[in-house]
Amino acid sequence: DTAVSQTPKYLVTQMGNDKSIKCEQNLGHDTMYWYKQDSKKFLKIMFSYNNKELIINETVPNRFSPKSPDKAHLNLHINSLELGDSAVYFCASSQYLAGELFFGEGSRLTVL
Amino acid sequence: AQSVTQLDSQVPVFEEAPVELRCNYSSSVSVYLFWYVQYPNQGLQLLLKYLSGSTLVESINGFEAEFNKSQTSFHLRKPSVHISDTAEYFCAVFTGGGNKLTFGTGTQLKVEL
Repeated sequence: DTAVSQTPKYLVTQMGNDKSIKCEQNLGHDTMYWYKQDSKKFLKIMFSYNNKELIINETVPNRFSPKSPDKAHLNLHINSLELGDSAVYFCASSQYLAGELFFGEGSRLTVL
Repeated sequence: AQSVTQLDSQVPVFEEAPVELRCNYSSSVSVYLFWYVQYPNQGLQLLLKYLSGSTLVESINGFEAEFNKSQTSFHLRKPSVHISDTAEYFCAVFTGGGNKLTFGTGTQLKVEL
């Protein structure tokens, strides 16, 4: 039973399209995150939600919009995809606001 | 603001040899420190953490790290590596004020026969 699951695992799409990535955690955690890992493996936080409330919103283009319908789910919608959006997007969760994160397996987005 | 520096982007080592992956951090407040491991095509997994107390922390698979406040370091060591340790290793720092985990740029450990 996967703790943090993301769908889809792979996503190939054209520039200008809109796509979504879904994330669910069954750990009962209060906090969920989206991280972006670029081709050089650099990890950068994008968003964080605590009990459905947005608490971290890094300098991410407005084309990226997170949505948390409940504390077990955090989805990421991306409008007007650009080549630079190609990356692996990781969802993660944690109990309380701390550094011990549980990561999903990632969603590899390729924009052509 | 906090930051993490991993000086080595790649560390090749032979199996059964010792290894040290270096991590330095900067922060003006107290920190929690972490090492995460990422195996190929997988998500990150927590390897070990320093929150408080003993400055030497250990993982279940033989890795250890030592928190050195004066040198602002949290180096990861293993006395004898195995081929299965081949992975990307990330050092990370968390401070309560920022409410976020900041990762270093990662060190690729490649264990060769």
